[in-house]
Amino acid sequence: IAGITQAPTSQILAAGRRMTLRCTQDMRHNAMYWYRQDLGLGLRLIHYSNTAGTTGKGEVPDGYSVSRANTDDFPLTLASAVPSQTSVYFCASSESGGNTGELFFGEGSRLTVL
Amino acid sequence: GQNIDQPTEMTATEGAIVQINCTYQTSGFNGLFWYQQHAGEAPTFLSYNVLDGLEEKGRFSSFLSRSKGYSYLLLKELQMKDSASYLCAVADSDYKLSFGAGTTVTVRA
Repeated sequence: IAGITQAPTSQILAAGRRMTLRCTQDMRHNAMYWYRQDLGLGLRLIHYSNTAGTTGKGEVPDGYSVSRANTDDFPLTLASAVPSQTSVYFCASSESGGNTGELFFGEGSRLTVL
Repeated sequence: GQNIDQPTEMTATEGAIVQINCTYQTSGFNGLFWYQQHAGEAPTFLSYNVLDGLEEKGRFSSFLSRSKGYSYLLLKELQMKDSASYLCAVADSDYKLSFGAGTTVTVRA
């Protein structure tokens, strides 16, 4: 039983490099989300997708892009990484826009930008 | 936007009760959630309140007052495994969740 799979688990990246964090879910959930978690700031929404083919901006979208070509996959791309993007990134999904009462989270991707 | 406040840290003794408060100001409201997050792990769902009142689930209970913009999570009969961060989150009019910074609960023997 996989649920949500994120890759890589951990990555050290030089500033200026391009990076894609992968997220795949096998629950056929419509909605998917990307959050970043920083000490003292909690989880902040980067981008979301309510259904395949649509995406939207969250609270902190600058420097990030997403795509939702199908139901299962929701990759997050950093076009040119900067040190302030050092964080733990969580992908999450829900059945229908979150109104079922539960977000399912992946195990997280720890990204360090030097 | 959302403004969600909860205490940073709380400490309690094994077997005791701890109440974690959460206040919020939102531009839309479709429910309040509590998640548990152990260090180095992903958050996991604990409770969901959309109507005023108390929801009880085993040792954990959650309360909501929409008029006051207030919720609390009550942890009873504390166990060492309850040491974790507890995240308060509010769903907006589009059902997107905004999270508070989290409350770290330390349970001492």
